Amino acid sequence: EDKVVQSPLSLVVHEGDTVTLNCSYEVTNFRSLLWYKQEKKAPTFLFMLTSSGIEKKSGRLSSILDKKELSSILNITATQTGDSAIYLCAVEGIQGAQKLVFGQGTRLTINP
Amino acid sequence: NAGVTQTPKFQVLKTGQSMTLQCAQDMNHNSMYWYRQDPGMGLRLIYYSASEGTTDKGEVPNGYNVSRLNKREFSLRLESAAPSQTSVYFCASSEAWQGNEQYFGPGTRLTVT
Repeated sequence: EDKVVQSPLSLVVHEGDTVTLNCSYEVTNFRSLLWYKQEKKAPTFLFMLTSSGIEKKSGRLSSILDKKELSSILNITATQTGDSAIYLCAVEGIQGAQKLVFGQGTRLTINP
Repeated sequence: NAGVTQTPKFQVLKTGQSMTLQCAQDMNHNSMYWYRQDPGMGLRLIYYSASEGTTDKGEVPNGYNVSRLNKREFSLRLESAAPSQTSVYFCASSEAWQGNEQYFGPGTRLTVT
């Protein structure tokens, strides 16, 4: 059974700190790993990592895929209060249709 | 573009009642999905439709049915609601059935008493 585990489940830091969120997975025939940010409502897409694109960066956010360790990290530098959210990791395997398996999420709180 | 829309935003049901959650997307996406989100459990797939005319079970399909009405619309039906179905329900869509990010609707908060 495919499985995605995120850590930590909850994290509280001060504005300006750098944070690293972790995601490990077990999936049959890995295709891609995705990161989403969820504030009050719908998850919004951040990054997709694949075998051909193991590193992505957008502003203060960056993510790396380690296929050997079956894991990914999401880094946020110079955090701001607007980064407070739940960060979700999801993995897609080749199962005949696109089905994402999500982790539990990491709740990140940035205090001013 | 509105993206993915869902109705209603909130709903309270009594045990045994039925209801249908509606979802529509205007991005001409082929694939659509229904998830539920419970505290501490992330998102779990209920049903999905890889393309118009097809539907398949996800991880937690029991107690639900779906209809892919056309390419735009994908509805989720609870025939006889149970308290265990209290959750936040998200609809999502993606361009293709492989290798594309999913876009989520704003969610429906359902309480079954």
